[in-house]
Amino acid sequence: ETGVTQSPTHLIKTRGQQVTLRCSSQSGHNTVSWYQQALGQGPQFIFQYYREEENGRGNFPPRFSGLQFPNYSSELNVNALELDDSALYLCASSLESRSDTQYFGPGTRLTVL
Amino acid sequence: QKEVEQDPGPLSVPEGAIVSLNCTYSNSAFQYFMWYRQYSRKGPELLMYTYSSGNKEDGRFTAQVDKSSKYISLFIRDSQPSDSATYLCAMGSRYNTNAGKSTFGDGTTLTVKP
Repeated sequence: ETGVTQSPTHLIKTRGQQVTLRCSSQSGHNTVSWYQQALGQGPQFIFQYYREEENGRGNFPPRFSGLQFPNYSSELNVNALELDDSALYLCASSLESRSDTQYFGPGTRLTVL
Repeated sequence: QKEVEQDPGPLSVPEGAIVSLNCTYSNSAFQYFMWYRQYSRKGPELLMYTYSSGNKEDGRFTAQVDKSSKYISLFIRDSQPSDSATYLCAMGSRYNTNAGKSTFGDGTTLTVKP
């Protein structure tokens, strides 16, 4: 059984650019959730994808968007990057849209200059 | 006010001590409660989850939930230096539009000294 993987590990972008982060779910999981974790804070829910449809969204603007593919891998896209977007981006996979047993990947650390 | 408040720490204890980590919450809709451990520059690792008030034990870890007081705790017995990490509490609900959402505390950083 493979765990959750994310790529890239680190990324540096400049303000105004666009970025795509990728996540591969744990084997057998059909749900992926994305979180943003700023330094010294807990993860904040961005959105969840269940069976390729968005299944709930947190308090993030529309420039944060996502996709889930038939193999349950996922992308997080952020347009018009702002300095405050600098954070660790985490994806978590689970079964049937559950959040009680989510398994997190190692994260992608995004720095916006 | 945040929905989930966690004792900020940091917490430093000698090896072998009993550690108590605590969170309070304000949203009565929360139905399940999780504890995660996060090592530096890593993703959170699920330690325990529970649905009901009372205690749930797993090895050296005990999760305690008091829904009437909206208070949860994680106890670590016989703490080890390898337990040094940030501990995050998280909560969720099945019955709202964001059933897949976990709401996290900001974490307590624990250091266990040999």
